[in-house]
Amino acid sequence: EAGVAQSPRYKIIEKRQSVAFWCNPISGHATLYWYQQILGQGPKLLIQFQNNGVVDDSQLPKDRFSAERLKGVDSTLKIQPAKLEDSAVYLCASSFSPGVLYEQYFGPGTRLTVT
Amino acid sequence: KQEVTQIPAALSVPEGENLVLNCSFTDSAIYNLQWFRQDPGKGLTSLLLIQSSQREQTSGRLNASLDKSSGRSTLYIAASQPGDSATYLCAVDQAGTALIFGKGTTLSVSS
Repeated sequence: EAGVAQSPRYKIIEKRQSVAFWCNPISGHATLYWYQQILGQGPKLLIQFQNNGVVDDSQLPKDRFSAERLKGVDSTLKIQPAKLEDSAVYLCASSFSPGVLYEQYFGPGTRLTVT
Repeated sequence: KQEVTQIPAALSVPEGENLVLNCSFTDSAIYNLQWFRQDPGKGLTSLLLIQSSQREQTSGRLNASLDKSSGRSTLYIAASQPGDSATYLCAVDQAGTALIFGKGTTLSVSS
């Protein structure tokens, strides 16, 4: 079974530039999550999708971050304009469904450096 | 608001030692608890998932316990090896939604 795919793996941009990350979840997984992991911290949820609808985006800085999941499969996360504090690893995860029995599977992450 | 704490933040042990990593959470109303491993520059690998009705789970040299009422979980690693060196993250799931993570324990096993 193929895992969660993410691209790019690394990205370096200057502040005020824009950047986009892509995620392809495990086939058949209805729930998709984007987490932000700042160095030395645990991952923090940015947004959760169930199919192509948003379940939770309460911690997404909506003035600069946006995300979409068209057709309930792939997802993109965009930052515009980027700030220095956005430097982090962005992790995508998926699960068959939200709930007790379903583990979340994580992709390798995209490491963003904002200079 | 749920908070997850992991102690210690870092741990160094010689090869062969048995060790325990600790995780505590402030709200006992959880659905499940997961332990993950993260290697430098890599994503998260799920090690063990304990449902709220369970007390422990075992996988090879790993054993995780859960005491929901006291808000604690431990990850026991038997006969540690250099390949176990990584950061171990604990996360709780409160309502079948996103995970809430601790900051992790960075383990170094020397040969």
